[in-house]
Amino acid sequence: AQRVTQPEKLLSVFKGAPVELKCNYSYSGSPELFWYVQYSRQRLQLLLRHISRESIKGFTADLNKGETSFHLKKPFAQEEDSAMYYCALQGANTGFQKLVFGTGTRLLVSP
Amino acid sequence: KAGVTQTPRYLIKTRGQQVTLSCSPISGHRSVSWYQQTPGQGLQFLFEYFSETQRNKGNFPGRFSGRQFSNSRSEMNVSTLELGDSALYLCASSLEAGARGDTQYFGPGTRLTVL
Repeated sequence: AQRVTQPEKLLSVFKGAPVELKCNYSYSGSPELFWYVQYSRQRLQLLLRHISRESIKGFTADLNKGETSFHLKKPFAQEEDSAMYYCALQGANTGFQKLVFGTGTRLLVSP
Repeated sequence: KAGVTQTPRYLIKTRGQQVTLSCSPISGHRSVSWYQQTPGQGLQFLFEYFSETQRNKGNFPGRFSGRQFSNSRSEMNVSTLELGDSALYLCASSLEAGARGDTQYFGPGTRLTVL
C-alpha cells in the first residue's frame, strides 16, 4: 500500500536555525514526491517536487530511494517559513493525479 | 490567470441532507481532483475527473459522487450527510491526467459543517 509518514506533528525552531522536516514513504516502484505548504489563511500550494531538483525559498529535498525518504531541509529558518508542510507522493500505481499525503508537520519559527 | 475557485466557501447542513459543492479549475486545465481534509484523517483523495470521466476514485462510500462538465468545471455531491462528513473539501486542477509530476493547483476549499 502507498503511504507517506511524517513523524513530527510540530517542529519548533528559532530564527536562523537549520530545519529538517522528515518524510518517509512506502511505494512499490518509482513515485513522484512533493512538498506542499499551507501558510495561515492561504490555500495549499506546491513548494517543490523531486523531479525538478530545485530550491524554493531556500528549501531543498533529496529523494533517498534506499531509505525511502524525502526530507525537507533549510539551512537557516525564517519567521515567514512558519506554516503547515505536507509531504505527498503520486505514481502510476495510484493514478498520477491522486496525491497521497502525509499527516503534515507544523513548523513554527520563533524570533 | 485566475486560480482554482470553489463555491460556496462555507456551508452548514444538518444530518440527512445532501450538498453540492462546485469547483472551477484554472483556465485550460482539464483534470479536477477532490480531497477531503479533516483533523483526524488529514488529506484524503476522493476522486479525479478528466474530460468528463471519472478516472480514479478514493476509498469513500457511494454517498460521495461527482461529475465534470464539458468546460472542465466539476461538482461533488454528498447525500445523506453524516456528522463525520464535516470537513474542508479541496478541489485541485492540473493540465492533464496521467502526466508524470503534473502540478496540482488547489482551491481555497469549502468548509462543510454538518449539525
